[in-house]
Order: sequence, then C-alpha cells, then structure tokens
Amino acid sequence: GQQVMQIPQYQHVQEGEDFTTYCNSSTTLSNIQWYKQRPGGHPVFLIQLVKSGEVKKQKRLTFQFGEAKKNSSLHITATQTTDVGTYFCAGGASGTYKYIFGTGTRLKVLA
Amino acid sequence: DTEVTQTPKHLVMGMTNKKSLKCEQHMGHRAMYWYKQKAKKPPELMFVYSYEKLSINESVPSRFSPECPNSSLLNLHLHALQPEDSALYLCASRTGLLSNQPQHFGDGTRLSIL
Repeated sequence: GQQVMQIPQYQHVQEGEDFTTYCNSSTTLSNIQWYKQRPGGHPVFLIQLVKSGEVKKQKRLTFQFGEAKKNSSLHITATQTTDVGTYFCAGGASGTYKYIFGTGTRLKVLA
Repeated sequence: DTEVTQTPKHLVMGMTNKKSLKCEQHMGHRAMYWYKQKAKKPPELMFVYSYEKLSINESVPSRFSPECPNSSLLNLHLHALQPEDSALYLCASRTGLLSNQPQHFGDGTRLSIL
C-alpha cells in the first residue's frame, strides 16, 4: 500500500537557525497537504500543493512539490520558539478520497 | 479555536462499556473523517463519509461503529474496546471528497480504555 515517509524524525535547532523536513511517497500523488500539530493539539492545515514543481511561501515557510509529484519539502527560515511542533505531510492519491499522513517530523526550537 | 467540535474531550471507559464519540460541523462540508492517533504517531485513517454515506472503511474492527445521521453530525460508537484502542480520536471535515480542499480537524477525544 501507499507509504509516506518523512525525514528527519526529530530535529532540535537553536532559535534563528533554519529547518527543513522532507516528505517522500511510494506512489505518485495528486496533491500534498502540510499540517502542523502542536503538543497536545490537533493537526492544523498549513498549505496544499497541486502542481508538479510548485513552490509556495508563507512568511518564513517555503513549501515545494517535486517534479515527479512523489516528494515535497517544508523549509522554515530563522526558526522561532512558536514553530515548535510536529509537521506532517499528507499525500492525496489520484482516484481515492483519502490522505495518507507522513510519519512526521518533530521540531524543537531551543531559545 | 476550531470549527469542528468533538465531544467529549476526554473519555475513560472499561472494556465492557458502550460509549459514543460525537463530531459536529456547520461549515456545510459533505465529507467527514475519523482518524485514530497514537502518541508520537501520525493520524491513521479509519472511516470516510461522503454525503452521509460510508465511502471508506480502512478495515477497522467492528467494535468501532461509525454513524452519520445528517450532514453536520458524525458519531463513532464504541463497544468492547481493548486497551490498545487507547488513543486520540480525531474528526475532520472538508468541502467534498473530490475537492482539493484542506481537512479541518476537531480538537479530538482522548480515549483511555481500562
């Protein structure tokens, strides 16, 4: 079945450093969504990417969708303590109604 | 703040109990989802409803029984659960199954089975 892996599993950074998480799917995706889940909270939608090679920015966050639509990345510039949480990608497969969540990357930012 | 409301927030039950989780949204979304999330793991899809009809059942044990009485409400009936069923149960909704729209998640119900 479809699998979506993320690396790294954990990342500790000093405040102000950059952070990147990578998402890789075993199958081609129709689109990919990114979510952030704070400790004790629920996943909160960040963005959706649909087109091959698409790049979107939200302030300090940059999202990319690979040319083959099988991988994606989230890059945070100059991390802040408010960026703490687990970042999940969720891949939507063509012809299905479901999204498979990636394994997640837990980010800790040290002040 | 969330536009998807889940109740109760916490639930402790014995293995012989019967209880229900409730999820409500008033955004006019026609697709609703149940996920199970264990600690430090991603959400795992359980059920998907589209226009009040069950579209996907991810081979979930029959001790979990979903119900969608109307377009705003989604229930998950629980019976004879096992300790390994302890988890955070998340409800989500989106505009429709075929739309490229985000899922809106509720705060979840944290379930503990004694």
